Amino acid sequence: TQLLEQSPQFLSIQEGENLTVYCNSSSVFSSLQWYRQEPGEGPVLLVTVVTGGEVKKLKRLTFQFGDARKDSSLHITAAQPGDTGLYLCAGVGQTDSWGKLQFGAGTQVVVTP
Amino acid sequence: DSGVTQTPKHLITATGQRVTLRCSPRSGDLSVYWYQQSLDQGLQFLIQYYNGEERAKGNILERFSAQQFPDLHSELNLSSLELGDSALYFCASSVVGGGTGIMNEQFFGPGTRLTVL
Repeated sequence: TQLLEQSPQFLSIQEGENLTVYCNSSSVFSSLQWYRQEPGEGPVLLVTVVTGGEVKKLKRLTFQFGDARKDSSLHITAAQPGDTGLYLCAGVGQTDSWGKLQFGAGTQVVVTP
Repeated sequence: DSGVTQTPKHLITATGQRVTLRCSPRSGDLSVYWYQQSLDQGLQFLIQYYNGEERAKGNILERFSAQQFPDLHSELNLSSLELGDSALYFCASSVVGGGTGIMNEQFFGPGTRLTVL
């Protein structure tokens, strides 16, 4: 059972369009991380958010942590083919005293030229 | 390149066999984590070690075991292998092993693809 639910599961868009991926839970997380994974490779860390309501920007990517620290979103502006990949959110639960990351199932993003 | 290394890259073996996967964490990282990724289960946390000591356990099967050595590299041992154990196995490392913030950020290795025939 996935504690973190991601939506949509799959997203296919044209280059230049915007997209948003959501990560939701009924549990509170101490911190939440977003990763991008390409086929056959390990997940690559994009960002860590810690404070409720926090917004972080990484070039064309904007990450937001919900006020209650139960949800997060990733927004990509003017998507490029290089943004193609599996986007995973992962959180450390409040009751997990060590770094036991719980992952969502992921959102597969495909950006076509 | 995350700085985490894993060997071997690919492993093909038969049911009932035993294999060992190896991981070297980033320089300076004390914590090592093992994850299993399969198509139907996604990325699942198996176990965490911090400075040689087991710190957290996920849904790791009794047939699986791990350890972290004094030089901080780690090995994941999988025994009595079954077809369902075929998956990608990832190792990750972080500076520390708890709390929030950048000291707990986990960096993943390239993985070992295990195929059980």
